[in-house]
Amino acid sequence: DTAVSQTPKYLVTQMGNDKSIKCEQNLGHDTMYWYKQDSKKFLKIMFSYNNKELIINETVPNRFSPKSPDKAHLNLHINSLELGDSAVYFCASSRLHSGANVLTFGAGSRLTVL
Amino acid sequence: DAKTTQPTSMDCAEGRAANLPCNHSTISGNEYVYWYRQIHSQGPQYIIHGLKNNETNEMASLIITEDRKSSTLILPHATLRDTAVYYCIVRVAIKPGNQFYFGTGTSLTVIP
Repeated sequence: DTAVSQTPKYLVTQMGNDKSIKCEQNLGHDTMYWYKQDSKKFLKIMFSYNNKELIINETVPNRFSPKSPDKAHLNLHINSLELGDSAVYFCASSRLHSGANVLTFGAGSRLTVL
Repeated sequence: DAKTTQPTSMDCAEGRAANLPCNHSTISGNEYVYWYRQIHSQGPQYIIHGLKNNETNEMASLIITEDRKSSTLILPHATLRDTAVYYCIVRVAIKPGNQFYFGTGTSLTVIP
């Protein structure tokens, strides 16, 4: 079973559209994250949720809206897509109060905006 | 945002030890150092982490200097499958959560 799964794996869309990427983890973790990796391979945190509560919101345009219906899911909705949104988006999860607090990543969702 | 600096790229001969350095001169006393690697465009994979003491697991060893301002990840016998981008990360406590700041990473190429 995949620990952190993201869908879709690939997403190609036109500028101005609205799209969502879904993430689910079956590890029993209480914290979930979204990272963006651009063409230069720099991994940047976007959001972090702990027990469905937003705890980190980096300077991300408000066109990006995360939604956490429960601890096992953190979805990312993007409105009015722009060319600069093209990137690979990684979901991750961790258990906040565990000793190691290791981040487990999904396989990534490659978004291409035309 | 990154609290770490790493060389952009390194080469290592297959079967030799790969030593990947990382500087984190602004690290605070309760901040951990983590290492992850990313093979091609897969999701980053956890390798090892530490606070003050040196650590070893089945994948690698982590050597942290006494002043904690730098560390070295050691892959004892590099194989071709170890070719990847290696990220040195500082974990910062932000109540109630943690923030993992990724640097730009070192692209390691293992040469046959």
